[in-house]
Amino acid sequence: TQLLEQSPQFLSIQEGENLTVYCNSSSVFSSLQWYRQEPGEGPVLLVTVVTGGEVKKLKRLTFQFGDARKDSSLHITAAQPGDTGLYLCAGVSGTYKYIFGTGTRLKVLA
Amino acid sequence: NAGVTQTPKFQVLKTGQSMTLQCAQDMNHEYMSWYRQDPGMGLRLIHYSVGAGITDQGEVPNGYNVSRSTTEDFPLRLLSAAPSQTSVYFCASSPRQVINTEAFFGQGTRLTVV
Repeated sequence: TQLLEQSPQFLSIQEGENLTVYCNSSSVFSSLQWYRQEPGEGPVLLVTVVTGGEVKKLKRLTFQFGDARKDSSLHITAAQPGDTGLYLCAGVSGTYKYIFGTGTRLKVLA
Repeated sequence: NAGVTQTPKFQVLKTGQSMTLQCAQDMNHEYMSWYRQDPGMGLRLIHYSVGAGITDQGEVPNGYNVSRSTTEDFPLRLLSAAPSQTSVYFCASSPRQVINTEAFFGQGTRLTVV
């Protein structure tokens, strides 16, 4: 069974602080995605990384795919209350399978 | 744009009852899947389908059945509900090529089995 472990599980920070969320696995994935989920809603895609070592930036969010394509990180600079939510990584395995991580619940306090 | 529509949004069942969670998508996506979300466990794949008439099991298929008679619909059936099936259920769809494409999720069904 392929597993994606995320850390930390919970994170509560003040507005303006920086943070990093990690997504780790012993398996190699074709690509890795990050989703954000708000209460009462389904997850929504933030980014897809495909190449080992790839770095993508989305405004204040920076995503990195590990060289071996087994792990990824999400860094948020100067967090804002609007960043509050559940962050999920998802490894794409084989042709059609998404393997989701355990999730990181972020709360940014104003 | 409707996207992925799940019904109902909330449901309470008694142990042993059966029910069907509905999922419909209007994006002509070939791939559809069902997940359950439990605290601290992310999303776990129950069943998935790569096209009409084709289904397969995910990580946690026991106690659930699916069918895919049309491209648009992918219902999930609970055969005999158990308290362990209390969870939030999400349906998702995506186009055929997965690597660079997005999974689109419904809003979820919160199921409580008492």
